[in-house]
Amino acid sequence: GESVGLHLPTLSVQEGDNSIINCAYSNSASDYFIWYKQESGKGPQFIIDIRSNMDKRQGQRVTVLLNKTVKHLSLQIAATQPGDSAVYFCAEPSGNTPLVFGKGTRLSVIA
Amino acid sequence: SQTIHQWPATLVQPVGSPLSLECTVEGTSNPNLYWYRQAAGRGLQLLFYSVGIGQISSEVPQNLSASRPQDRQFILSSKKLLLSDSGFYLCAWQTGGSGANVLTFGAGSRLTVL
Repeated sequence: GESVGLHLPTLSVQEGDNSIINCAYSNSASDYFIWYKQESGKGPQFIIDIRSNMDKRQGQRVTVLLNKTVKHLSLQIAATQPGDSAVYFCAEPSGNTPLVFGKGTRLSVIA
Repeated sequence: SQTIHQWPATLVQPVGSPLSLECTVEGTSNPNLYWYRQAAGRGLQLLFYSVGIGQISSEVPQNLSASRPQDRQFILSSKKLLLSDSGFYLCAWQTGGSGANVLTFGAGSRLTVL
């Protein structure tokens, strides 16, 4: 079936460097994607979303890039800080359910 | 503003005991409500969702059930817990408008079955 998946389960980044978290999707008809951040012991929090009519969307220190040709999206975090340490999920709507989540990537920031 | 509450935050239960996790939403009416489960180090698995009072859709057949006795109340239950029911349970409600697919999650309820 259609699914959203992640390339890497873990990522370690030096504080101050940029982080890039990748996500692949299989449904070419998908038109909306969301990134969530989940800190340890907490519920996921919305970070940023993007619709398929866009290639790039920027927020505060975060940028999401969408490549529909290869069905890939990425979350870029500029000047990574210790507070960015968390698990990051990409998600997309699927059928009658609102969101299908990937397995997540754990970002660890090295001070 | 809208808020979502889950309780209890943590729970340790013996195998075979019953379970009741409660979720309430404030500041909105007729929300779509969802229960997800997250096993340790894993992703989010949708268990149940509800589009209205008394309307429950189950995504995965298992040892759990859900009920929606009131518009802004969603309850996850079990009559007899299994070891495999351990996990982090998350309630969520669906945002409307331009972000119609965005889910807002509660703080979660961590269940350990011994």
